[in-house]
Amino acid sequence: KQEVTQIPAALSVPEGENLVLNCSFTDSAIYNLQWFRQDPGKGLTSLLLIQSSQREQTSGRLNASLDKSSGRSTLYIAASQPGDSATYLCAVSGNGYSTLTFGKGTMLLVSP
Amino acid sequence: DADVTQTPRNRITKTGKRIMLECSQTKGHDRMYWYRQDPGLGLRLIYYSFDVKDINKGEISDGYSVSRQAQAKFSLSLESAIPNQTALYFCATSDLGGPSTDTQYFGPGTRLTVL
Repeated sequence: KQEVTQIPAALSVPEGENLVLNCSFTDSAIYNLQWFRQDPGKGLTSLLLIQSSQREQTSGRLNASLDKSSGRSTLYIAASQPGDSATYLCAVSGNGYSTLTFGKGTMLLVSP
Repeated sequence: DADVTQTPRNRITKTGKRIMLECSQTKGHDRMYWYRQDPGLGLRLIYYSFDVKDINKGEISDGYSVSRQAQAKFSLSLESAIPNQTALYFCATSDLGGPSTDTQYFGPGTRLTVL
């Protein structure tokens, strides 16, 4: 059974810092990996999707990397802003069936 | 208008009652999903459907049933609600197009409390 772990569970940084969120998964036979953002009381918003054949994806200040063989992904956020405060969730899809296994998330607080 | 809508947004009910949560989407996607989110447990898949005639159990389907009434509509039912079904419920959709278009789009969630 696939298990997804995210470290740290919570992170508090001052505005402007570059930061890294970590995600690890136990079964490397994944179809793709996705990073989501969840604001309090809201649904999830997809940030980045990395196919299993890719090493990284970038969107604005966000960069996600994937090392499938070691079962790891990182989400790098450059020049953090208070508006980045949210919970970030990592999820993996296996066997091409589009069902996702989620980590428990990293709660990020960026203070002005 | 939102692409994925859920009704109701909040519901308080009593043990033993039948509850239906509804999800509608305007994205034209074939695939739809129901998840529940609990503090400390993350999101877990309840049921999923890849088209109108396809229904599959997820990780935690016991105590739940679903109906795919149309491509755009996917309902989740709790036949006899119990307190440990208190959670935040999310509906999601995705397209059928391969690994690069597999992004899931989530609704705003339904907060269900069972007393």
